[in-house]
Amino acid sequence: KAGVTQTPRYLIKTRGQQVTLSCSPISGHRSVSWYQQTPGQGLQFLFEYFSETQRNKGNFPGRFSGRQFSNSRSEMNVSTLELGDSALYLCASSLGPGQNTGELFFGEGSRLTVL
Amino acid sequence: AQRVTQPEKLLSVFKGAPVELKCNYSYSGSPELFWYVQYSRQRLQLLLRHISRESIKGFTADLNKGETSFHLKKPFAQEEDSAMYYCALKGGNTPLVFGKGTRLSVIA
Repeated sequence: KAGVTQTPRYLIKTRGQQVTLSCSPISGHRSVSWYQQTPGQGLQFLFEYFSETQRNKGNFPGRFSGRQFSNSRSEMNVSTLELGDSALYLCASSLGPGQNTGELFFGEGSRLTVL
Repeated sequence: AQRVTQPEKLLSVFKGAPVELKCNYSYSGSPELFWYVQYSRQRLQLLLRHISRESIKGFTADLNKGETSFHLKKPFAQEEDSAMYYCALKGGNTPLVFGKGTRLSVIA
């Protein structure tokens, strides 16, 4: 089985721009979660989606948004980028609610640098 | 609110020495606890979960509800254990919450 795939792997943006990150979960996995990873804060939860519905949302400003498609693929968008948004954005997939929900399978991440 | 605390940012031990990575949690209900590991240039991956009560790569972790702890232990550290370790908690329908991580460095 192919693992979780995230694109793009690296990107550089300037302040004020917006960015869209994509995540393809493991085949058969219907739940997708997004995390922001930084050296100082570790992994901070952004969103969780299941069957195209947002189940949980972390404590991030409204500039951060996401969605999930019918094929379980997910995207997250960050608008009006700030320097502090520079981070590794990790996507993780799992089977879905009630099925080993604590076991997440992570992608390699999209490293965003905001200049 | 659920919270996971890993008090050590960095832990250095000599090869062959015992290892204990500390994790304390705060949660009002019955949580599920996990340890995740990220080796250099590899993806973050599940190491073990408290429900399984298993030993993975020589590591074990016992959930102590009285002390609200879930420390990760290994009797004899190996160089290949050097990695970033994250303790994580899941409660009910809430998302998986991670601690800030501890970097383990095993010195030859």
